[in-house]
Amino acid sequence: GQSLEQPSEVTAVEGAIVQINCTYQTSGFYGLSWYQQHDGGAPTFLSYNALDGLEETGRFSSFLSRSDSYGYLLLQELQMKDSASYFCAVHNTGKLIFGQGTTLQVKP
Amino acid sequence: DAGVIQSPRHEVTEMGQEVTLRCKPISGHDYLFWYRQTMMRGLELLIYFNNNVPIDDSGMPEDRFSAKMPNASFSTLKIQPSEPRDSAVYFCASSETGAGTEAFFGQGTRLTVV
Repeated sequence: GQSLEQPSEVTAVEGAIVQINCTYQTSGFYGLSWYQQHDGGAPTFLSYNALDGLEETGRFSSFLSRSDSYGYLLLQELQMKDSASYFCAVHNTGKLIFGQGTTLQVKP
Repeated sequence: DAGVIQSPRHEVTEMGQEVTLRCKPISGHDYLFWYRQTMMRGLELLIYFNNNVPIDDSGMPEDRFSAKMPNASFSTLKIQPSEPRDSAVYFCASSETGAGTEAFFGQGTRLTVV
C-alpha cells in the first residue's frame, strides 16, 4: 500500500518563508507532486519532482530525496493569497495518491 | 480546451436513490481519475482509467459504487443506492499520461445524501 504524512496545519506571517514536509511509503515510486487547493476550489498543480534535488518555480520550490522517501514544498515571500491547503502526491505507476493535506494560514 | 468538466456541481438526494456523476476529460488525455474528498479521509482515489479501460478500482468503497468510461470524452460514477455517508465532494481529473504528468481537476460535484 501507500502512505503519506504531512503536517495538518502551518501558520506563518506575510513575507515569511514556510516549508511543508512530506514523507511517503510506497512501492513503484515514480515521483512526487505538490498541489494547492483553496477553500471550495479544485486542486491545482504546483510542481513535480522525479529526481533528487530542488525544483524552483517562482516563489515556490520543491525538493525530493528518494533515498529518504522525503520531500518538501518551500514557499517564499508569503502572500495572503497563499492561504490554502497543500497536498503532496506520489506517482505510483499510473496512480496519483494524495496525502491528507496541510492547511497553511498566512497572517498579516 | 475548457478543462475538465463535471456535472452536476451540486446534488442533493435522498438516501436510497441512485446518483450519477458525470465527467468530460480534457481532449487527448489518456488517463482519467475519480477522487472523493471528505474532511476525515482527505482526497481518496476511487478508480482510474487508461484509454477508457479501468485499471485500478481498489479504492471503490463498496459494490454500491460503479464507474464507466464508454468513450474517451465521457465517464460516469454511479452510486446505487446512496447513503448519507457518501456525502462528499467528488472530483474527476485527467492527465496526458500517467506517472509524471500534471493532473487537471474538474470543479467537483458536491453530493449531499439526506
